[in-house]
Amino acid sequence: NAGVTQTPKFQVLKTGQSMTLQCAQDMNHNSMYWYRQDPGMGLRLIYYSASEGTTDKGEVPNGYNVSRLNKREFSLRLESAAPSQTSVYFCASGTDRGNSPLHFGNGTRLTVT
Amino acid sequence: QKEVEQDPGPLSVPEGAIVSLNCTYSNSAFQYFMWYRQYSRKGPELLMYTYSSGNKEDGRFTAQVDKSSKYISLFIRDSQPSDSATYLCAMRWNNDMRFGAGTRLTVKP
Repeated sequence: NAGVTQTPKFQVLKTGQSMTLQCAQDMNHNSMYWYRQDPGMGLRLIYYSASEGTTDKGEVPNGYNVSRLNKREFSLRLESAAPSQTSVYFCASGTDRGNSPLHFGNGTRLTVT
Repeated sequence: QKEVEQDPGPLSVPEGAIVSLNCTYSNSAFQYFMWYRQYSRKGPELLMYTYSSGNKEDGRFTAQVDKSSKYISLFIRDSQPSDSATYLCAMRWNNDMRFGAGTRLTVKP
């Protein structure tokens, strides 16, 4: 049982380049999330999707777009990467109950030069 | 002031020690409390999940919640080198979920 799978694991971009981070879950969860993790800042929510067909902004959405492709897949796109977007990105999923814990993938380590 | 405060450590203990990890929070709306363990270059892994004030035990791990003081703790008994990781506290109410910055723990053999 794979859980939450993220691709790629590592990526280096130049300023201004674009890329899409992919996430898929096989737990039949309705809700999916994208977080970034920076030293001393903890996990910060970028966007989330409470159910297929809906997306909402989180705490730090600027510079990002998302697509909920279907129930399993939720992608994060950087249209014009900036050095401030150097971070580790985690995808997570959970049930649609607001009291449930989240399950995380192993992250994508992104460096923007 | 951050909504969730967690001492970043690092914390280093000898094998077999009792470890105490703590978080404080400011938003009394949080009702659900979690501890995640994160190994280097891995994603956070759910360790403990609790709702009510009081203690919840799972093997060597005990989660404690004091809602009146807005304070949560994780105790690790008989700590092992394999417990070396970063521990994140998290709390949730509906779609609002917040994380501590994490405490880095090293258990030395």
